[in-house]
Amino acid sequence: AQTVTQSQPEMSVQEAETVTLSCTYDTSESDYYLFWYKQPPSRQMILVIRQEAYKQQNATENRFSVNFQKAAKSFSLKISDSQLGDAAMYFCAYRSGDFGNEKLTFGTGTRLTIIP
Amino acid sequence: DAGVIQSPRHEVTEMGQEVTLRCKPISGHDYLFWYRQTMMRGLELLIYFNNNVPIDDSGMPEDRFSAKMPNASFSTLKIQPSEPRDSAVYFCASSLGDRDGETQYFGPGTRLLVL
Repeated sequence: AQTVTQSQPEMSVQEAETVTLSCTYDTSESDYYLFWYKQPPSRQMILVIRQEAYKQQNATENRFSVNFQKAAKSFSLKISDSQLGDAAMYFCAYRSGDFGNEKLTFGTGTRLTIIP
Repeated sequence: DAGVIQSPRHEVTEMGQEVTLRCKPISGHDYLFWYRQTMMRGLELLIYFNNNVPIDDSGMPEDRFSAKMPNASFSTLKIQPSEPRDSAVYFCASSLGDRDGETQYFGPGTRLLVL
């Protein structure tokens, strides 16, 4: 079974600075999808960014980018120019590439605090 | 465009009572998922449907839990009888599957408290 590990329960960053959240995963598959979700105090789970394992290029979405290292099974999230609204729990998630296997496996989350 | 809709947003009930959580997926989405989030166990998938058919219910904790999807726009998660350990936030999510990079879109969640 696949596992997702987020080794940083909490992180903090000064407003306008850059922060990187770590995520590693364990799988024997070569085809899969990776996601970062944000959960602010409202509890809503919001998709931040996604990465298809077959793509070499790292995904980017405005101030959010990933460093996808397939061989190392690492999928870190970089947030540039941190803003107060970025404060939230961040969850890394894995989805198998097997057709019909739609299950998302989540990590335990990293709580990000933004210091004004 | 409306996202995933869940009701109620909050539910407080007494042990032994029946609880029904409701979900309306995003229109056109083929897949619907029910998740539970607790401090102890994190986010865990309970069950998911494809085209209204349950595909994987291996995460359903026990027979007290049941889920149905009578049509493409509505699903329920029922707990009968409820117990204090069922207290959690329950999320519904929907997706287009591989037509949208396997992305799941979550509803706002239902916070359940069983006394």
